[in-house]
Amino acid sequence: GAGVSQSPSNKVTEKGKDVELRCDPISGHTALYWYRQSLGQGLEFLIYFQGNSAPDKSGLPSDRFSAERTGGSVSTLTIQRTQQEDSAVYLCASSLAGGRVYNEQFFGPGTRLTVL
Amino acid sequence: QKEVEQNSGPLSVPEGAIASLNCTYSDRGSQSFFWYRQYSGKSPELIMSIYSNGDKEDGRFTAQLNKASQYVSLLIRDSQPSDSATYLCAVIPSRGGSQGNLIFGKGTKLSVKP
Repeated sequence: GAGVSQSPSNKVTEKGKDVELRCDPISGHTALYWYRQSLGQGLEFLIYFQGNSAPDKSGLPSDRFSAERTGGSVSTLTIQRTQQEDSAVYLCASSLAGGRVYNEQFFGPGTRLTVL
Repeated sequence: QKEVEQNSGPLSVPEGAIASLNCTYSDRGSQSFFWYRQYSGKSPELIMSIYSNGDKEDGRFTAQLNKASQYVSLLIRDSQPSDSATYLCAVIPSRGGSQGNLIFGKGTKLSVKP
């Protein structure tokens, strides 16, 4: 079946502009995660959605970052007033049910964000 | 103390040899451990998950978990040049954070020489 899809694959923006990144999880997966990967920081968790519950935003680095998930499926990560330090690859992952055990997460291809 | 630690490498092995990748973690209560493979410019790909002490084999891959020593490893038998990639160890913490976010090590770069 289809895996996690993300769009766009690449995004170049100017400092101060807003950007939206999209994730479409594997069909039937109720848990959705956003991570980002940068050279200096490795892979870090940003936000987690489980079904229709309120998201866990504990990993968001600042209030410029927000995300929503519509209908328990597609998610959009929004970065307002982008800064150069936001340049990274933004990765979305989904899993069947989330939780701390047996939670195999499958990643999408990522969106490479470059802030000039 | 870093939560998940890996030797950054590079680890270089000849084709056909066994590659051994190691990872230690700090959260003694963690119950879920994963190995991801990441080719340059690509996203992480799940190759093994392990939840119980001991070995778990899948084809040429064997994951080993020792919760008492807080140690998880990945063995790749009959290494091929196509195995050349960065291998990421990931752990789900037992507390804090979200319900199930992964904590990643920095990864070990493996190079298999023909």
